[in-house]
Amino acid sequence: GAGVSQSPRYKVAKRGQDVALRCDPISGHVSLFWYQQALGQGPEFLTYFQNEAQLDKSGLPSDRFFAERPEGSVSTLKIQRTQQEDSAVYLCASTLGLVDTQYFGPGTRLTVL
Amino acid sequence: TQLLEQSPQFLSIQEGENLTVYCNSSSVFSSLQWYRQEPGEGPVLLVTVVTGGEVKKLKRLTFQFGDARKDSSLHITAAQPGDTGLYLCAGHNNAGNMLTFGGGTRLMVKP
Repeated sequence: GAGVSQSPRYKVAKRGQDVALRCDPISGHVSLFWYQQALGQGPEFLTYFQNEAQLDKSGLPSDRFFAERPEGSVSTLKIQRTQQEDSAVYLCASTLGLVDTQYFGPGTRLTVL
Repeated sequence: TQLLEQSPQFLSIQEGENLTVYCNSSSVFSSLQWYRQEPGEGPVLLVTVVTGGEVKKLKRLTFQFGDARKDSSLHITAAQPGDTGLYLCAGHNNAGNMLTFGGGTRLMVKP
C-alpha cells in the first residue's frame, strides 16, 4: 500500500515493560510526526523529524519516551518502563515537504495493564 | 501554548438534520484544518482554511474560518449515517509544521 503503516496495530504490555512502536511513512516523505491520542480525546503532539533529525521533542511526556529515525525513513517510538497512563493510541503521520498535508497511519493502540 | 476547544463534545442527531461544530481558540493560527476520524483509523484531512473569513464547501459540508483566524466552524447539511465519526479541528503553528488538535466532536447520525 502507498499509505503510512504502523505496527503492531495493538499492543498489550504489563506495567514496567518496554515497548517499541514502528512507523513506516509514505516513501519519500521528508517529515514524520508522532502523536498520542488518549481515549475520547484529540491527538497530542509528541515529536517531529525532518529526515533523520529530530527537530522537536517538546511533546514527549517524560524521559521514558524516546523516538528515532536513523535513516530518515522508518521511525520507532520506544517507551521504557510503561505505566498505565501511557495507555493510548499512538499515531504517526508523514508529509512530503516541510509544510504539507499530514497523512496519518492507523495508529497503534497500547494498553498497559 | 496554543489551545483549541471544540463544541459540542458529543452530538447525536437523526438523519436529515443539520448541525454545526465549533472550534475556538484565544490564539491566532496560520491555518486551520478539519479532519474526520473513524474507529481504528487515523484522522483523514477534510479541508484546510488559510484566510480569515474564508468559506469552503465540500458537498454537504461547509467550513468557515473566523475573520481573526482564531476560530472555525463546520456545518453539515442534511446529515447522513455515513457522516458518523470523530471530527477534529487542528491548527498549524507559525512554522506551519506542528499541529495542535482540538478535543474532537463525536457525531452519531441515526437512520
